[in-house]
This record gives sequence, C-alpha cells and structure tokens, in this order.
Amino acid sequence: DVKVTQSSRYLVKRTGEKVFLECVQDMDHENMFWYRQDPGLGLRLIYFSYDVKMKEKGDIPEGYSVSREKKERFSLILESASTNQTSMYLCASSSGAGGKRGEQYFGPGTRLTVT
Amino acid sequence: DAKTTQPNSMESNEEEPVHLPCNHSTISGTDYIHWYRQLPSQGPEYVIHGLTSNVNNRMASLAIAEDRKSSTLILHRATLRDAAVYYCILRAYNNNDMRFGAGTRLTVKP
Repeated sequence: DVKVTQSSRYLVKRTGEKVFLECVQDMDHENMFWYRQDPGLGLRLIYFSYDVKMKEKGDIPEGYSVSREKKERFSLILESASTNQTSMYLCASSSGAGGKRGEQYFGPGTRLTVT
Repeated sequence: DAKTTQPNSMESNEEEPVHLPCNHSTISGTDYIHWYRQLPSQGPEYVIHGLTSNVNNRMASLAIAEDRKSSTLILHRATLRDAAVYYCILRAYNNNDMRFGAGTRLTVKP
C-alpha cells in the first residue's frame, strides 16, 4: 500500500515563527503536492513538484516556499507564520505515468494553528 | 482550468443508490474526470476516473454524458461509511496536478 506520512497531526506555532511541514512517501512517486483545506473553500493547491529540486506554484503560493531535495520528501515552509495560515495542510503524491496517472495518494494532514 | 459545479450537499438513505452529479460544461477533449472522496478526519482518497466511456470499479460507477459536459458518480448501495465529501475534478491529459473544488457533502441516514 502507498503510504504518505506527514510529520505532525497537530502543530501550534506563534506568529512570525518559521514553520516546516514535512511529507514523506514510500512509493517512489515522481509528483508531490501541498494543499491547504479551509471550511467552505475545499482544497487549494499551494505548490507541487514533478521531480527532485523542481517546484511549481499552485493557486495560493504566497507566504509559502517548498523544498524537494530527495524524491521521497517534500517540505512546505512558512517563512514567517501568520494567523491567516491557520489551516489543515495536506500532502499528496502521484506517479507520473501509467493507467492511474493522476491518482493522488494523500497523507492524514497536519492541523496548524498560528497564534 | 476547466471548472466543475457540484451541489453543496446531498442526503441518502442507507442501502439505497446514490447519484452524485457534476457539471463541467467547459471541459476540453483531453480532460479526464476524476472523483475523490474525503471521509471525516482523513485525507481525500481516489474513487474513480474516466475520459469518455462509463467506468466501474469496486467502489463506484462513473457515468459520463455523451457530450462530456456532465458526469454522475453512482454508489450502488450507500452505507454509513460512505458519508463523506465527494469531489469531482478535471485533470488535463498532460498534467499531473488537479484543482479540488468545495465538493458535495453526502449524508447517509440509517
């Protein structure tokens, strides 16, 4: 079974702190994604990556950066956390080819609260 | 990106079929139609996807209109465990990224 793990289920940080959210997948997937989920807004794509050291902006990249130094790991960085970044953060991965291309596997999510 | 429209919520009775609609009138010829669902306190999970023909798997069926401007996810016999938010998403053929909307919240009544 594909497994996508995220470093924390719950995280509380203070305004202005630098925050790292880590995501690891064990299926050798090329693609990895970071979303945030807020009530009434569904999932919104922050950043994604098709390969090591590559990144693409999603719909709401402002205030975030990412790092992909190894194929299995994709990190989301909040350089200076703000209260409007309080949200549920979901990581996903997918294979780049094949019949189920595009099928994304999600982690359990990290609920981040910025106070 | 082509957009999808789904009802905010639907209700169903346990053990009855459920038809979840999705409109995508601006779909392009190479867009795949994907469905995901998100159970409470979990990340979304893949349900089914298709291009032009109807598709069946162990979880559900996907019926795609002939003009591809709409589709319907069919749960043949709803159970309480099917209560979730269901997302209909279009994915371009040569893309791996997808855009999730707000989805349809399905409530299943015993």
